[in-house]
Amino acid sequence: QKEVEQNSGPLSVPEGAIASLNCTYSDRGSQSFFWYRQYSGKSPELIMFIYSNGDKEDGRFTAQLNKASQYVSLLIRDSQPSDSATYLCAVRIADSSYKLIFGSGTRLLVRP
Amino acid sequence: EAGVAQSPRYKIIEKRQSVAFWCNPISGHATLYWYQQILGQGPKLLIQFQNNGVVDDSQLPKDRFSAERLKGVDSTLKIQPAKLEDSAVYLCASTLGRLYEQYFGPGTRLTVT
Repeated sequence: QKEVEQNSGPLSVPEGAIASLNCTYSDRGSQSFFWYRQYSGKSPELIMFIYSNGDKEDGRFTAQLNKASQYVSLLIRDSQPSDSATYLCAVRIADSSYKLIFGSGTRLLVRP
Repeated sequence: EAGVAQSPRYKIIEKRQSVAFWCNPISGHATLYWYQQILGQGPKLLIQFQNNGVVDDSQLPKDRFSAERLKGVDSTLKIQPAKLEDSAVYLCASTLGRLYEQYFGPGTRLTVT
């Protein structure tokens, strides 16, 4: 059973701080990792993906991947109240379907 | 570019009734997914289509759920008969191919009473 684990939170940070969201996965063969943001009552929205070990930056967002530790994280710099949402980690399974397995999400609250 | 379209947006039915959901993917997207998202959980894949063929339906409760994608474009997901535990948001997603990013529709919120 392929699994993706996330702390459900809520993770509460003050406005302007760095929010750090973490995710671990069980499938050692996985090569692609995704972060989706989901506002309450809305559908998931892709914000970042990462395929290689190390860091990938996009604006205020940085994704970090460590395949040896089976760990992926998302850093949000200069957090804004509008970043308050649930962040879903998804891992692409290394079989012929290439399907995504989602974690249960971490709820982030950014306090003004 | 138009996004993934789904209808209806909300549906309330009684247990043992049937219900159907419709999805129209982004134009040109060959791969289509149906997910079930229960409150407080991440999306769970129910079925994956590549054009009009099924790639994965290992988590589809086949005694009550069915799905089809005729002509490799639109898709419908049906539940018959519904149970209380089917209350969830049903999300449709599409992608150019299995190795590309998935884009989600707005979802259908189903309440079974």
